[in-house]
Amino acid sequence: GDSVTQMEGPVTLSEEAFLTINCTYTATGYPSLFWYVQYPGEGLQLLLKATKADDKGSNKGFEATYRKETTSFHLEKGSVQVSDSAVYFCALSAPWGNYQLIWGAGTKLIIKP
Amino acid sequence: EPEVTQTPSHQVTQMGQEVILRCVPISNHLYFYWYRQILGQKVEFLVSFYNNEISEKSEIFDDQFSVERPDGSNFTLKIRSTKLEDSAMYFCASSAGLAGGIEQFFGPGTRLTVL
Repeated sequence: GDSVTQMEGPVTLSEEAFLTINCTYTATGYPSLFWYVQYPGEGLQLLLKATKADDKGSNKGFEATYRKETTSFHLEKGSVQVSDSAVYFCALSAPWGNYQLIWGAGTKLIIKP
Repeated sequence: EPEVTQTPSHQVTQMGQEVILRCVPISNHLYFYWYRQILGQKVEFLVSFYNNEISEKSEIFDDQFSVERPDGSNFTLKIRSTKLEDSAMYFCASSAGLAGGIEQFFGPGTRLTVL
């Protein structure tokens, strides 16, 4: 079945470092891809999305490009801040059914000042 | 900005008791979902709801679970006889659907603790 695999965390970086969180997926058809962020004690917030191959989603300095050839949707940010510390979830929305989300395990990001 | 709301934020119950978790989706959205997240684990899909009926459900969503949209605004998840393993964070989500955008907007969650 469809699935999402994320790099395991925690990922610990210093402020202003470059961030990459890897995400690969397995899906039949052409899913939409999402990154959600969960700040400590809060719910799930949509960070960015891409709905077709080669689309680039971006928000708040974060970017991810939908790569069909490598079935990947890696999250990147050029210069992280302490306030980016959170858990990041990669998810896909299957093109069948009612677009329910299939989730990766989440990657905890810790940014040290 | 419209948002999904959930009540209560935290529910503590005894094993075997019934609980009802409540959600108010964004008003013009058509698709509604429940997910759960056991502490430290990945988010899991439970059920989707469209046009006043369940459209998809996972293996987790067994006969102990039910959903309802009793009026034009609320969307509820009922667990008839809670088990210890039902302890989790339960998230409600809604989306406008294909024409309006498939991204899902989540509520803040209800933390369910079964003792």
